[in-house]
Amino acid sequence: DAGVIQSPRHEVTEMGQEVTLRCKPISGHNSLFWYRQTMMRGLELLIYFNNNVPIDDSGMPEDRFSAKMPNASFSTLKIQPSEPRDSAVYFCASSGLRGLAGGPFGTDTQYFGPGTRLTVL
Amino acid sequence: SQKIEQNSEALNIQEGKTATLTCNYTNYSPAYLQWYRQDPGRGPVFLLLIRENEKEKRKERLKVTFDTTLKQSLFHITASQPADSATYLCALDPTTDSWGKLQFGAGTQVVVTP
Repeated sequence: DAGVIQSPRHEVTEMGQEVTLRCKPISGHNSLFWYRQTMMRGLELLIYFNNNVPIDDSGMPEDRFSAKMPNASFSTLKIQPSEPRDSAVYFCASSGLRGLAGGPFGTDTQYFGPGTRLTVL
Repeated sequence: SQKIEQNSEALNIQEGKTATLTCNYTNYSPAYLQWYRQDPGRGPVFLLLIRENEKEKRKERLKVTFDTTLKQSLFHITASQPADSATYLCALDPTTDSWGKLQFGAGTQVVVTP
């Protein structure tokens, strides 16, 4: 199993540019999570999907951030326009959480990708 | 507000000793709690999950306890090795809707010296 795949691994861009981060979850997993990690704020959940549907985007910091999951094997996180304070490591994670017809506990563990280190100059 | 607190200072420990990490939470009633390990430049890796009705869970040299009265979990690494050096994160579901959402603590760095 290849695990969660993220691209690019590193991204350096200038303020105002559009940035698109990509994620391929583990095959068969039906939940996908986007996180941001910084020294100051730790690991923060931005948005998560279940069966390709966004469930909670309350962690998305601003309208400049958007995420999509067009199918079960691909998701993107877009920042437009980017700002220096967006510099962080962005992680994608997936899990085999059951969906709407599932049981009472979402106990499936999350499998993280290697992250994308974003630097906005 | 909901908080998860972990020791902010790095834990320096000698090889062979037991490392004990603390995770305290407030204003939650989680059904379970998870522990992850994160190495520099990598994503977190799941280690253990303990449910609210379990007092203790073990996996090889790792042991986790969960006290819902104290709102605390302890994570122990016994017979520690230099390879155990990493940052350890606790995480729990802050919601009651069971979608698997996790909130993470800031993590505690462990440094095991030979």
